[in-house]
Amino acid sequence: SQQGEEDPQALSIQEGENATMNCSYKTSINNLQWYRQNSGRGLVHLILIRSNEREKHSGRLRVTLDTSKKSSSLLITASRAADTASYFCATDGDYNQGGKLIFGQGTELSVKP
Amino acid sequence: DTEVTQTPKHLVMGMTNKKSLKCEQHMGHRAMYWYKQKAKKPPELMFVYSYEKLSINESVPSRFSPECPNSSLLNLHLHALQPEDSALYLCASSRSREGISPLHFGNGTRLTVT
Repeated sequence: SQQGEEDPQALSIQEGENATMNCSYKTSINNLQWYRQNSGRGLVHLILIRSNEREKHSGRLRVTLDTSKKSSSLLITASRAADTASYFCATDGDYNQGGKLIFGQGTELSVKP
Repeated sequence: DTEVTQTPKHLVMGMTNKKSLKCEQHMGHRAMYWYKQKAKKPPELMFVYSYEKLSINESVPSRFSPECPNSSLLNLHLHALQPEDSALYLCASSRSREGISPLHFGNGTRLTVT
């Protein structure tokens, strides 16, 4: 079953604005990760948040995790045109599944200069 | 630039061809992965190698055959593929088995099956 679902599917903003993407998942997790993918390239790991953490920051990125609601959000502040990419959340799911990393459907972010 | 190198970047093959995709990492990672990604879709896990042993096969058709010759190299042998197998094939590595540590991805091989 699909572990991570994201919304919105697509987001278009102006440079300088903040972008918020949300991720929901179904089963218990050990950690949740966010990745970025530029068009035609591989995925780049952005940030990992453990199940016992509620918030984490990395530069212009802020990730929150609410395990009671099984949801996470990624906030990119003061966006730049270079932030244009697809963003995926990924969860490790139930360890009985072999610790597989399952990716959400992704949010396509477009930042207009 | 990524620390995981995949070759070739692009590959066009006929349905009767045999080809191989290659992946290399020198970060000392002990887990390596093959993912398949269709346009505007998330990556789908195909295989996981942990300490050079196949630990996960996500019911992938036998026309895809993975091989891990050593801890730095991962191959994907392709034979008698179908047009629907056209996709971006991504290799990744991690310090230990996925879900526990972040994945490092290569830039992929864009495969077209004619």
